[in-house]
Amino acid sequence: KQEVTQIPAALSVPEGENLVLNCSFTDSAIYNLQWFRQDPGKGLTSLLLIQSSQREQTSGRLNASLDKSSGRSTLYIAASQPGDSATYLCAVNSADKLIFGTGTRLQVFP
Amino acid sequence: NAGVTQTPKFQVLKTGQSMTLQCAQDMNHEYMSWYRQDPGMGLRLIHYSVGAGITDQGEVPNGYNVSRSTTEDFPLRLLSAAPSQTSVYFCASSYGTLYTEAFFGQGTRLTVV
Repeated sequence: KQEVTQIPAALSVPEGENLVLNCSFTDSAIYNLQWFRQDPGKGLTSLLLIQSSQREQTSGRLNASLDKSSGRSTLYIAASQPGDSATYLCAVNSADKLIFGTGTRLQVFP
Repeated sequence: NAGVTQTPKFQVLKTGQSMTLQCAQDMNHEYMSWYRQDPGMGLRLIHYSVGAGITDQGEVPNGYNVSRSTTEDFPLRLLSAAPSQTSVYFCASSYGTLYTEAFFGQGTRLTVV
């Protein structure tokens, strides 16, 4: 059974720091991995999608990497801002299903 | 574009009542799914559909029914609400399942008393 773990569960950093969020999964047979952002009381917004054949994807200050063989992905946020405060979720696409981690709650303070 | 639209946004039910959570998408997506989100447990898949007329169970299907008569709509029915079904429900859609990103609705917060 595919299981997805995110570490840390919560993170509080000052504005301007570069940070790394981690996601690990137990079964390397995935089609792709997706990172989402969720603001309190809101739905999920897709940030980056990495196909199983790719090593990384970039969008603005965000960079996501994927090491399928070791079951790991990282989301790198450069020069963090208070507006980045949210919960970040990773999900693996495995056998027609998106399996989610429990998320990392990020707070960036001025 | 409206994207994925869920109604209602909030709902309070009494134990034993039934109701339908609505989900509609206007992107001609084949794949639609329902999740529930509970504190400390992340999002868990309830039911999903790979196209009109086709549905399948996810991780936590008990107490829920779905149908997919059109590409656009994927309603979730609670047959007899229980307090354990208090949760936030999210509907998602994608063009396919293998290589495309998923889009989520804004959620329905359901409380069963």
